[in-house]
Amino acid sequence: GAGVSQSPSNKVTEKGKDVELRCDPISGHTALYWYRQSLGQGLEFLIYFQGNSAPDKSGLPSDRFSAERTGGSVSTLTIQRTQQEDSAVYLCASSLWAGNTIYFGEGSWLTVV
Amino acid sequence: DQQVKQNSPSLSVQEGRISILNCDYTNSMFDYFLWYKKYPAEGPTFLISISSIKDKNEDGRFTVFLNKSAKHLSLHIVPSQPGDSAVYFCAASRRGGATNKLIFGTGTLLAVQP
Repeated sequence: GAGVSQSPSNKVTEKGKDVELRCDPISGHTALYWYRQSLGQGLEFLIYFQGNSAPDKSGLPSDRFSAERTGGSVSTLTIQRTQQEDSAVYLCASSLWAGNTIYFGEGSWLTVV
Repeated sequence: DQQVKQNSPSLSVQEGRISILNCDYTNSMFDYFLWYKKYPAEGPTFLISISSIKDKNEDGRFTVFLNKSAKHLSLHIVPSQPGDSAVYFCAASRRGGATNKLIFGTGTLLAVQP
């Protein structure tokens, strides 16, 4: 597609359930990033992929969070045993290569009730 | 440790006037700086960037200024238009670093009054 595509756009889940968020980056972009923005907060870095490997996972808040990327393209962010503090918009972004301008998707709005 | 800071949470200007959004950073290793604009319920969109080898970059109504000695950058919008009303994030990265991730400020909400 022309831009970064994320799904679902909105997700309401019960506390304790697992959720998967998907990101389809811009075709040909080798670098992929996950950020999140909680209510009233800035953009918080979660994880960075170069190809299929994740050289920087330093932003993942806990071991309940994991992400993978396959085929150098689609990425999935998984949150296990969701908590209310996980409620946020999860933003995926990609760039042609690391260090270049990154382009964001529309985000996946997660609400944990 | 907030490496990129936007100390003004909000700014209000009149249509046609200049909007100046400010950003400070602490890490002297940052060498690439960007501004993003974000409307409610949308993802951030790239606006303009500047490399540390330059002190000014201009694109239409938008100009970014970089003062490396002060570790300060600013975004000027002239003339401001009501459609510019959005949250503006500055971001910084170290392009030669291990991950090149962008570190974002907390954003400034710009309101342009008609």
